[in-house]
Amino acid sequence: ILNVEQSPQSLHVQEGDSTNFTCSFPSSNFYALHWYRWETAKSPEALFVMTLNGDEKKKGRISATLNTKEGYSYLYIKGSQPEDSATYLCAFHTGNQFYFGTGTSLTVIP
Amino acid sequence: NAGVTQTPKFQVLKTGQSMTLQCAQDMNHEYMSWYRQDPGMGLRLIHYSVGAGITDQGEVPNGYNVSRSTTEDFPLRLLSAAPSQTSVYFCASSRTWGQAEAFFGQGTRLTVV
Repeated sequence: ILNVEQSPQSLHVQEGDSTNFTCSFPSSNFYALHWYRWETAKSPEALFVMTLNGDEKKKGRISATLNTKEGYSYLYIKGSQPEDSATYLCAFHTGNQFYFGTGTSLTVIP
Repeated sequence: NAGVTQTPKFQVLKTGQSMTLQCAQDMNHEYMSWYRQDPGMGLRLIHYSVGAGITDQGEVPNGYNVSRSTTEDFPLRLLSAAPSQTSVYFCASSRTWGQAEAFFGQGTRLTVV
């Protein structure tokens, strides 16, 4: 069993604030790191798949960075909007197995 | 474009009963997988398949069987349901195993009484 930790567990921000979350994973057996956005009553939707140390990905106001040597990834949201409210999951892939964190629950207050 | 379709959406079973959770995808993905979601825990991989006829175990395979006779379908079987299998189950498919995004179904909420 492999540990993927996400912090913080939950976060409340005001509309317009920028925020970031952390995903920590083992620095060995790295194959890929995924970020998903999961809205209540829906299924997880992919944001990013990151495979190389130093990877930076961006989609609109959301971006992510990856450090495989130290075992962490950051997800950033710039200028949070109420529609960004969701749980953000990261998942670590070893080449054989997927291990998901428990997620960061983001609430953006209008 | 349906994506990944899971049936049923809800199910209540009695301890010892068997059932099959259905999963179908229409994206011609080789890779399919099953997860369970329990309170306070991340999604946990049950079984996965890298193509028709090929399956492998994930982190929590006990109590579940799978087979993959076609590219499109990946059913999950509970042979003798136990209360510990009460969970929300998600099926996913992807173009590659690990380095491509996974597309998830809407989930099946299973209660075993």
